Amino acid sequence: DIQMTQSPSSLSASVGDRVTITCRASQSISTSLNWYQQKPGKAPNLLIHAASSLQGGVPSRFSGSGSGTDFTLTISSLQPEDFATFYCQQSYITPFTFGPGTKVDIK
Amino acid sequence: QVTLRESGPPLVKPTQTLTLTCTFSGFSLNTRGMCVSWIRQPPGKALEWLARVDWDDDKYYNTSLKTRLTISKDTSKHQVVLTMTNMDPVDTATYYCAREKGDDVGVYHFDYWGQGTLVTVSS
Repeated sequence: DIQMTQSPSSLSASVGDRVTITCRASQSISTSLNWYQQKPGKAPNLLIHAASSLQGGVPSRFSGSGSGTDFTLTISSLQPEDFATFYCQQSYITPFTFGPGTKVDIK
Repeated sequence: QVTLRESGPPLVKPTQTLTLTCTFSGFSLNTRGMCVSWIRQPPGKALEWLARVDWDDDKYYNTSLKTRLTISKDTSKHQVVLTMTNMDPVDTATYYCAREKGDDVGVYHFDYWGQGTLVTVSS
């Protein structure tokens, strides 16, 4: 199975900050990487698919990059509604796997 | 409008079999490229993918759980059913079903999710 890691596991940031989250796959997955945001008590919400494609309706302050084994999710200017946990997920091959998550909270 | 809704027992006893149903609307599982997956999340922990059924009835399972899982679809009822045998307290989690489809470059992603159903395993 492909293992996914994320760093950091948590971070504290202020409104307006630029935030970067890293995801790494244990083997090359091309650009088969998706990012989800999850708020407490809610289902995850798709932000980015295929490493860099913004899902419809998602604000443009979210962006993704990377290919192969290393990927990045960037929030250009953190907004109050962005505080949540973020997960990466590989869809290169089954069994699909998620990263352990990165919790973003208020500094 | 795409919607998915999970249903099943909130409480099961250890060793019992869990049966969960995902009832969906707004798309057809007969359409090429459409899939439905089950994903779970223990309280305070990360997401874990469990199983997937494709439009052509291909099925895929989590490696460590595959001996306990069975996924099936009933396209006429717009339902996907997941069974998990020999339940244990460590299987306590919120169970989600999600629609999965490929994008323009063939990368599959979960674009719609149900609200989830909490299943507690306890005697």
